[in-house]
Amino acid sequence: EIVMTQSPATLSVSPGERATLSCRASQSISSNLAWYQQKPGQAPRLLIHDASTRATGIPARFSGSGSGTEFTLTISSLQSEDFAVYYCQQCFDWPLYTFGQGTKLQIK
Amino acid sequence: QLQLQESGPGLVKPSQTLSLTCTVSGGSISGSGYYWNWIRQHPGKGLEWIGYIYDSGNTYYSPSLKSRVTVSVDTSKNQFYLRLTSVTAADTALYYCARGGRGRNGYFDPWGLGTLVTVSS
Repeated sequence: EIVMTQSPATLSVSPGERATLSCRASQSISSNLAWYQQKPGQAPRLLIHDASTRATGIPARFSGSGSGTEFTLTISSLQSEDFAVYYCQQCFDWPLYTFGQGTKLQIK
Repeated sequence: QLQLQESGPGLVKPSQTLSLTCTVSGGSISGSGYYWNWIRQHPGKGLEWIGYIYDSGNTYYSPSLKSRVTVSVDTSKNQFYLRLTSVTAADTALYYCARGGRGRNGYFDPWGLGTLVTVSS
């Protein structure tokens, strides 16, 4: 099983600033990585797939990068609605899909 | 716009069977080429993929749950189902259904709102 490790567990950032979230895979997963946003009481929402492709309707302030084992989700200028939990998911070792444990992005 | 909605009992007794339904609207399960997934989230924890069904009957399950899980579909109702036998408190979770792509396009979009299942006597 490919283990996905996200860091940090909690990230405190002020509105308007940049947030950088990391996800590491226990082995190479090429670019087969997705990012999701989950707000309290809501289902996860797909933000990014194939490591860097924004899903339909996702604002341009969200960007993804990386390949192999190291990946980053960057939110360029945080809006109030961006404070949430973010998960990464590998699709490389299909169908044994696995998720990271999540990063909670909170207001500083 | 495709929408998914989970339904089923919110409380299941230990050792019994958990049964959930996912109703798909705004698109057809049959012939879609997509994979129809179940995913769960233990309270306050991360996400765990359970299994999927595609092509009106082919399934694949997480090895950790394989002995207890069945996913099935009724294309006439545009619904798919989760059955988890011999449940314990460890199966208490928020259960989501989600559409997924094939293979390495297997990211999930969209998701249902989820349904909380508590295992307790």
